[in-house]
Amino acid sequence: SQQGEEDPQALSIQEGENATMNCSYKTSINNLQWYRQNSGRGLVHLILIRSNEREKHSGRLRVTLDTSKKSSSLLITASRAADTASYFCATDLTGGGNKLTFGTGTQLKVEL
Amino acid sequence: GAGVSQSPSNKVTEKGKDVELRCDPISGHTALYWYRQSLGQGLEFLIYFQGNSAPDKSGLPSDRFSAERTGGSVSTLTIQRTQQEDSAVYLCASSHFNAETQYFGPGTRLLVL
Repeated sequence: SQQGEEDPQALSIQEGENATMNCSYKTSINNLQWYRQNSGRGLVHLILIRSNEREKHSGRLRVTLDTSKKSSSLLITASRAADTASYFCATDLTGGGNKLTFGTGTQLKVEL
Repeated sequence: GAGVSQSPSNKVTEKGKDVELRCDPISGHTALYWYRQSLGQGLEFLIYFQGNSAPDKSGLPSDRFSAERTGGSVSTLTIQRTQQEDSAVYLCASSHFNAETQYFGPGTRLLVL
């Protein structure tokens, strides 16, 4: 079953603009992770935020976590055409033994 | 070093046939995970190995699905008597023991006709 819902389902922006994706989840987590998937194949790990953290940065990525609202957001700044991909949030549930539960994904298209 | 590899990349089979999907984890990673990505169900967990043991098989959808891991390395996911609803991309991931980050392979795209 899906733990998380992501919105929007699809997002189309111009190169140079910022892209924001949101993820909501249902139960207590150890951490939340964001992955990127190109062309429906392998997933690439982008960033991880632990349940006791509120914000994290990595290059052009900024992730926030609000455990009271059970939600997270991923911001990609100054987007590039190469950022075009599907983005998934994944939660490591408390007591879940490290298996990841994925959200529904956001399809991002960055146009030149 | 080499990442997670999976074979075959693509597999087309007829309904009722058995298939085997292979995963080679990153060397030294003791944890190995199988996930499935399908149109109707999204990305879902199937099974988790720690060494050669599978402490969590809760995601296997039916008894037609089984997996094993030998030598703490290669894993094989077997689907018996395949059905059309088994069509999906099967993804394997590995990590160090209790590590938070999982590294994914490119997946095997299975099509059951």
